[in-house]
Amino acid sequence: EAQVTQNPRYLITVTGKKLTVTCSQNMNHEYMSWYRQDPGLGLRQIYYSMNVEVTDKGDVPEGYKVSRKEKRNFPLILESPSPNQTSLYFCASSLSGEIPEAFFGQGTRLTVV
Amino acid sequence: AQTVTQSQPEMSVQEAETVTLSCTYDTSENNYYLFWYKQPPSRQMILVIRQEAYKQQNATENRFSVNFQKAAKSFSLKISDSQLGDTAMYFCALDTSYGKLTFGQGTILTVHP
Repeated sequence: EAQVTQNPRYLITVTGKKLTVTCSQNMNHEYMSWYRQDPGLGLRQIYYSMNVEVTDKGDVPEGYKVSRKEKRNFPLILESPSPNQTSLYFCASSLSGEIPEAFFGQGTRLTVV
Repeated sequence: AQTVTQSQPEMSVQEAETVTLSCTYDTSENNYYLFWYKQPPSRQMILVIRQEAYKQQNATENRFSVNFQKAAKSFSLKISDSQLGDTAMYFCALDTSYGKLTFGQGTILTVHP
C-alpha cells in the first residue's frame, strides 16, 4: 500500500530535550516536506526536499533541522524544543510529473512542556 | 511569495443541501495548481479535488466541484447533496513548485442532520 508513515503519532516532551520525528514514504517520490498546523494559521511549510541531500527552508524553519540521506526518509529534528513548537506536524511527499499531488502522513501531535 | 486566504472560519449546512467554501490566492506565477484538502477529526489530510491553472474547465469529482476564476484569483469549492461524513476542516492550497504547498487558514464545515 502506498503511504507516508510518521512516528510517533503523539509525543510529550520537556523544553530542551532533543527529539526526532521520523517520516518514510514507499512511493519513490522525489519531493518531501514538513508542515506544522496551528489553529487559525492552517499548515505552514517548515522544510522541503527536492531529492537526496537537497533541502530548502520553508516559511517557518527556525528551531528545526532536517536531513535527506535516503530518498524514502526525511526526519524532522528539534534540537532544543520550546513550548512554541507545540503543534501538529505533517510530513508529505509528492512525485514530479503532470500533477504534483501531495500524500500526507498521519500527523504527529507534539507537546513541549 | 504566495498567499492563500480562506475568509470563512466556520460554515454549517443541512444534510442534502449545497454549500460553497471560498478561497482566494495570490501568486505571480503563471503555472500552478490548486487543491482542496479535507481533514476529518481523524486529522488525516485527504485530497478532495485539484485544478490545473492552465485548464479553464472547472474540475469536478462526484459531489464536489470548483469555481476557478483565474483573473480574480478565486477558487471556491461547492459541495452538493451534503452528507454527515462531509463534516471536517477544509483547506485550500496552492502549489507553484512541486510539493511546496501554501495553505489557507482552513474552514470548519459542519453538516447537520
